[in-house]
Amino acid sequence: ELKVEQNPLFLSMQEGKNYTIYCNYSTTSDRLYWYRQDPGKSLESLFVLLSNGAVKQEGRLMASLDTKARLSTLHITAAVHDLSATYFCAVAEKKSSGDKLTFGTGTRLAVRP
Amino acid sequence: GAVVSQHPSRVICKSGTSVKIECRSLDFQATTMFWYRQFPKQSLMLMATSNEGSKATYEQGVEKDKFLINHASLTLSTLTVTSAHPEDSSFYICSASPLYTFTFGSGTRLTVV
Repeated sequence: ELKVEQNPLFLSMQEGKNYTIYCNYSTTSDRLYWYRQDPGKSLESLFVLLSNGAVKQEGRLMASLDTKARLSTLHITAAVHDLSATYFCAVAEKKSSGDKLTFGTGTRLAVRP
Repeated sequence: GAVVSQHPSRVICKSGTSVKIECRSLDFQATTMFWYRQFPKQSLMLMATSNEGSKATYEQGVEKDKFLINHASLTLSTLTVTSAHPEDSSFYICSASPLYTFTFGSGTRLTVV
């Protein structure tokens, strides 16, 4: 059974600082996704990582994928308050009934002044 | 981009009644849709995979007689929570997967009183 773990579970960081969220998964997969969720809302897609070594950047966020280590990172550069949200990684695996997405535990990010 | 519409966004029902939640793919056809449940401050848990024209595939521990799924067309899947109880109160989110992405509906907040 695929397990997806994120750390840290909760992150309080100061504006302007950098930090990295880690996502480890237990079985082979070549597709990993990062999502943002604001309180009371659904998921917003941030990144789709489709191959080993993939790196994608959007604004202050950068995501990378190492399929050999079964590790993805979400790096935050010079955090601002607007980035406060919960971030989930999710790993896709092929099933006979179709592709299945398993979510990580989530990282609650709070950016303080 | 691909859009998934979910309705209603919020519903309050009495214990013992049934509630239907709709999930529509607006600009693409979805032979497969996914239903997730999310409890407060927790991650998303896949409940079932909805397959157009055939029976849904339920995850272990999910009661198929309680959570009825119908996927009668290529653009519509419905989840009916039957004989709802307060412990069924949760945030329900549907998803569809055009190509390599997973697109999520806006979610339904169900409160059973």
